[in-house]
Amino acid sequence: EAQVTQNPRYLITVTGKKLTVTCSQNMNHEYMSWYRQDPGLGLRQIYYSMNVEVTDKGDVPEGYKVSRKEKRNFPLILESPSPNQTSLYFCASSLDAVDNYGYTFGSGTRLTVV
Amino acid sequence: GQQLNQSPQSMFIQEGEDVSMNCTSSSIFNTWLWYKQDPGEGPVLLIALYKAGELTSNGRLTAQFGITRKDSFLNISASIPSDVGIYFCRGGAQKLVFGQGTRLTINP
Repeated sequence: EAQVTQNPRYLITVTGKKLTVTCSQNMNHEYMSWYRQDPGLGLRQIYYSMNVEVTDKGDVPEGYKVSRKEKRNFPLILESPSPNQTSLYFCASSLDAVDNYGYTFGSGTRLTVV
Repeated sequence: GQQLNQSPQSMFIQEGEDVSMNCTSSSIFNTWLWYKQDPGEGPVLLIALYKAGELTSNGRLTAQFGITRKDSFLNISASIPSDVGIYFCRGGAQKLVFGQGTRLTINP
């Protein structure tokens, strides 16, 4: 089944403890992206990647890192999480940047930083 | 950066009523898309619009790409309980921009 898989689905952590949220897609998509969703603010893009080893900042990149060493994986790294990073995170992928119909979201990761 | 203003932020309607929501921007977009997010899931594409003035339907859903390319509208006719969720508009490509979302609640 074609899908975008995020792990974990839920995570509670403490301020300053490094964490990684994994994202993997099995559709051979070139374009991958991370979003955070907050009430009243909608979905805001954190980082995106056009292809392997090509990443770029979205609208809210501060406090996050990403890497794209392989096509299928696009992990989101929080080196020193803070409470304002408590949010619902989504990974998404598509064939390329203009593949609208193929743009697929994962099921989300709810992160709480205390 | 580019911003999309989506309204209303929330709607409480009776089953069977029609629904209208819109997105506006200060920037021009070449693509407008509408998504629906069910609770506990990621957004799913409903309709994609590629041309100014374009009107596209998908079942009970109708969306329009504004003539100025700075706005888009989504209408849902004869709402049913499974229409409940959050609806997002999206503009652009590469650095994608989403609206804040419209949360739709339906009273049976």
